[in-house]
Amino acid sequence: AQSVTQLGSHVSVSEGALVLLRCNYSSSVPPYLFWYVQYPNQGLQLLLKYTSAATLVKGINGFEAEFKKSETSFHLTKPSAHMSDAAEYFCAVRKGGSEKLVFGKGTKLTVNP
Amino acid sequence: EAQVTQNPRYLITVTGKKLTVTCSQNMNHEYMSWYRQDPGLGLRQIYYSMNVEVTDKGDVPEGYKVSRKEKRNFPLILESPSPNQTSLYFCASSSRDGYGYTFGSGTRLTVV
Repeated sequence: AQSVTQLGSHVSVSEGALVLLRCNYSSSVPPYLFWYVQYPNQGLQLLLKYTSAATLVKGINGFEAEFKKSETSFHLTKPSAHMSDAAEYFCAVRKGGSEKLVFGKGTKLTVNP
Repeated sequence: EAQVTQNPRYLITVTGKKLTVTCSQNMNHEYMSWYRQDPGLGLRQIYYSMNVEVTDKGDVPEGYKVSRKEKRNFPLILESPSPNQTSLYFCASSSRDGYGYTFGSGTRLTVV
């Protein structure tokens, strides 16, 4: 069965610092991988997705993620954090041929001034 | 505008009183799904539907029902709500290409 592990339920960075949110997946077949962001009191917004094309995926708001098959990872990064990046971030995996999206438990990002 | 619309946004109800949360999408998507979000647990799938009249259980289906009579609508029914169903609920839809779901804005349900 496919699953997703997000390392660190809370991550705190200073404004301008590198953001790194970790995600590892397990899947028996090549997966589709996603990062979603949830701002307070809002729904989920798609940040970026990996669908077996380029391994480095660029998303909205300056975020990017790299698919590393050997490490079964799909970590999310942003070179310089903004206060507006404070939110909860969810990694999700969808097995090819399946409609089911399986989520990690989320990482809450705090950005300090 | 392409969107998934859920109603209501907020709902407080009492134990045992049947309720329905509506979900509608305007993107002609085949797949629709319901998730619940609880602190520390992320999002867990309740039910999903691959097309009209085709529904199946997700990871936490107990206490919920769904129906898919029309392609655009996928209501979530709680026949006899209990306090452990207090949660934030999201409806989502997706096309067959597997490129990700579009989520509704959520329904915050409190059962007292």
